[in-house]
Amino acid sequence: QKEVEQDPGPLSVPEGAIVSLNCTYSNSAFQYFMWYRQYSRKGPELLMYTYSSGNKEDGRFTAQVDKSSKYISLFIRDSQPSDSATYLCAMKVGSSNTGKLIFGQGTTLQVKP
Amino acid sequence: ETGVTQSPTHLIKTRGQQVTLRCSSQSGHNTVSWYQQALGQGPQFIFQYYREEENGRGNFPPRFSGLQFPNYSSELNVNALELDDSALYLCASSSSTGSYGYTFGSGTRLTVV
Repeated sequence: QKEVEQDPGPLSVPEGAIVSLNCTYSNSAFQYFMWYRQYSRKGPELLMYTYSSGNKEDGRFTAQVDKSSKYISLFIRDSQPSDSATYLCAMKVGSSNTGKLIFGQGTTLQVKP
Repeated sequence: ETGVTQSPTHLIKTRGQQVTLRCSSQSGHNTVSWYQQALGQGPQFIFQYYREEENGRGNFPPRFSGLQFPNYSSELNVNALELDDSALYLCASSSSTGSYGYTFGSGTRLTVV
């Protein structure tokens, strides 16, 4: 069993839809939870970062962490064609800026005009 | 200079050869990590360097080695290339102090034939 599970999709939605992306994990020691967006032939770009449980909102993006269920989510409101990309969840233990990130497989999202 | 830069962007090597990939860290960042991303998969942690010393290693054989220089730039060396080494190699820099932030470069696409 992988430490972090993520449905690879692909997920196709019409423009304006609400998108829900999810990851589950098995390591209860994870404390830092991140969502990255990766466009084709580019490196991952940090979208959201959450420490421990709770919600965090940034514009059209909302990240949720439920440590009791070992489940994290990213919601995208009013999705745009420019949101079409691969979304990677990532987690880590320990200090915020050292140590390894454990990534999910990534979910490919296509937003159709 | 801002951002993480990697070179070269693409590389084709023959099985058994050796390769060196390079990374320039974001200004102010003193920690560098390397990740391997196979097609359709999430990035896998190779190792991290801090103050020119290896500071954590993933499940990669010793033929994967690295260096960090006093200016915090870094190299990833892979010896005895195998076909399965074909992947996108990502460099990420961060600061050991300050707020969270792993900044990724656009990667080097390595093809082993």
